[in-house]
Amino acid sequence: NAGVTQTPKFRVLKTGQSMTLLCAQDMNHEYMYWYRQDPGMGLRLIHYSVGEGTTAKGEVPDGYNVSRLKKQNFLLGLESAAPSQTSVYFCASSSSGLPVRTDTQYFGPGTRLTVL
Amino acid sequence: AQTVTQSQPEMSVQEAETVTLSCTYDTSESNYYLFWYKQPPSRQMILVIRQEAYKQQNATENRFSVNFQKAAKSFSLKISDSQLGDTAMYFCAFMIPNFGNEKLTFGTGTRLTIIP
Repeated sequence: NAGVTQTPKFRVLKTGQSMTLLCAQDMNHEYMYWYRQDPGMGLRLIHYSVGEGTTAKGEVPDGYNVSRLKKQNFLLGLESAAPSQTSVYFCASSSSGLPVRTDTQYFGPGTRLTVL
Repeated sequence: AQTVTQSQPEMSVQEAETVTLSCTYDTSESNYYLFWYKQPPSRQMILVIRQEAYKQQNATENRFSVNFQKAAKSFSLKISDSQLGDTAMYFCAFMIPNFGNEKLTFGTGTRLTIIP
């Protein structure tokens, strides 16, 4: 199993450009998450999904959109990038595993995004 | 809202020594999960240990153990016989089990350096 993978690993954008970050997991997990990590702060939740076709806002959703068309993929989009979105982005997944729900999240390797 | 506080931004210890990282949290819930994640220079977030609040016994994983004090809302991580590979950022995290709405709240992290 590859676990959680993220594409790309690095990206530099100009202000106003758009891009999509791809997260893929091969663990058949129901839940998927997008976080951003900034210096001096813990990870903050951007958006999450509790199943295929569903998405929900996290702590810092403004400026981002997400889609979960397939269970194994969770896409994070920036429609018009801003310098404030310079950050490291992490994807994570976890299982809903009823009747015993697994709450541990497994993280991808991260994407470093710079917006000039 | 839940908060997680890590009051030690940086720590260093000699190889083979024992080190304890502090974490406190604030919640009105009685059922929740606590985690320690490790982030080495590779940036990958790696689960170190987890603790269920309803369990009185402290979790242990090889050289890693926790001191969970529910009444004090404290969740410290002890690393015994520290190794150079333990050098990393360590994040404490908190989750309330709420079907379809599980979200991790992270502390700001402690940078641990193991000195040869």
